[in-house]
Amino acid sequence: KAGVTQTPRYLIKTRGQQVTLSCSPISGHRSVSWYQQTPGQGLQFLFEYFSETQRNKGNFPGRFSGRQFSNSRSEMNVSTLELGDSALYLCASSLTRGSTEAFFGQGTRLTVV
Amino acid sequence: AQTVTQSQPEMSVQEAETVTLSCTYDTSESDYYLFWYKQPPSRQMILVIRQEAYKQQNATENRFSVNFQKAAKSFSLKISDSQLGDAAMYFCAYRSAASSYQTGANNLFFGTGTRLTVIP
Repeated sequence: KAGVTQTPRYLIKTRGQQVTLSCSPISGHRSVSWYQQTPGQGLQFLFEYFSETQRNKGNFPGRFSGRQFSNSRSEMNVSTLELGDSALYLCASSLTRGSTEAFFGQGTRLTVV
Repeated sequence: AQTVTQSQPEMSVQEAETVTLSCTYDTSESDYYLFWYKQPPSRQMILVIRQEAYKQQNATENRFSVNFQKAAKSFSLKISDSQLGDAAMYFCAYRSAASSYQTGANNLFFGTGTRLTVIP
């Protein structure tokens, strides 16, 4: 069974641009969560999607958004990039919202210059 | 809000020896899950071990075991017979068990991590 796939693995963008990151969960998993990992703030929850609906959102500005498709694949978008958005973005998939185990992808390393 | 604290930014252990990583958490909930995740240089977070708060028995997974002290809100990870492949960042995480199918928060709250070095 394939694991969680995140694309691209690395990305370099310029301040002010926007970026879209993709996450394909494990087959059959319907819940997808996104986390931002930085040296200063550690791992912080961005949002969770289940059945194409955002179920929960962390404390991030509106520039961070996401969506989930009918096949459970998820994308997150960051508009008007700032230097501080440079981070590793991790996606986690779970079978359902009540599942106790989340499986993580290898992340997308975003660098904003 | 729930907080998770890992007070040891770095730890080292001799190969084949035992090491214990500390974690404390703060919550007003009575039902929750605690996890230890490992993040090697490949960056992928790998679940090491899970503990349900309602279970008094400490979880074990091969060389990994936890010491769960619910009253003290402490959740330490013991790695026995340390191997070179154990070298990684280790994160303690908390998740509420209150979420239902439709509502509730089921996101993970992470500690700041402990970097474990294994010395050959």
